[in-house]
Amino acid sequence: GIQVEQSPPDLILQEGANSTLRCNFSDSVNNLQWFHQNPWGQLINLFYIPSGTKQNGRLSATTVATERYSLLYISSSQTTDSGVYFCAAPGGYALNFGKGTSLLVTP
Amino acid sequence: EAQVTQNPRYLITVTGKKLTVTCSQNINHEYMSWYRQDPGLGLRQIYYSMNVEVTDKGDVPEGYKVSRKEKRNFPLILESPSPNQTSLYFCASSLQGYGTQYFGPGTRLLVL
Repeated sequence: GIQVEQSPPDLILQEGANSTLRCNFSDSVNNLQWFHQNPWGQLINLFYIPSGTKQNGRLSATTVATERYSLLYISSSQTTDSGVYFCAAPGGYALNFGKGTSLLVTP
Repeated sequence: EAQVTQNPRYLITVTGKKLTVTCSQNINHEYMSWYRQDPGLGLRQIYYSMNVEVTDKGDVPEGYKVSRKEKRNFPLILESPSPNQTSLYFCASSLQGYGTQYFGPGTRLLVL
């Protein structure tokens, strides 16, 4: 199945800093999703982004399907951004998740 | 409010005692699935359902059963739980198989 790799695995930021999370996938995909898992374990869908760029407040995502990667940008980070960020790409009728980027934003 | 619900949220049980985790969605989604999340292994799909009465195995189906008798409900059944099924379980739904996935709050299961 499709392989999904995320980098970096861990990231520590001071509040207010910007960051870029990367997701590489091994094959062509017709969609790519980003999720945030908060410290309480809840998974929230951030973006459905098969290609191009989308923005939602301080978060934006870009997928370059031809080069098989997606980027998640977090600007002016806040402590509430802490948690694990996952990207996922479809393989058959399942979503294949990367191992995630664990983000800690300190005050 | 559009949502996916799971019950129970936390469960401690013993080996071999049958249990069911319920999943329900009120957003008229056709596609539903179950995932388990384990440290170091990430999220892996257990079973999925494309629509009522249509279910299929995911990556890790052993030891689990599902049914889809109604569009809104997709229970996960552990007939004889074992300690290696201790995990965090998520139900998810989407309008169609490749659509935006909406996850339930998760069920933490401990099998002693």
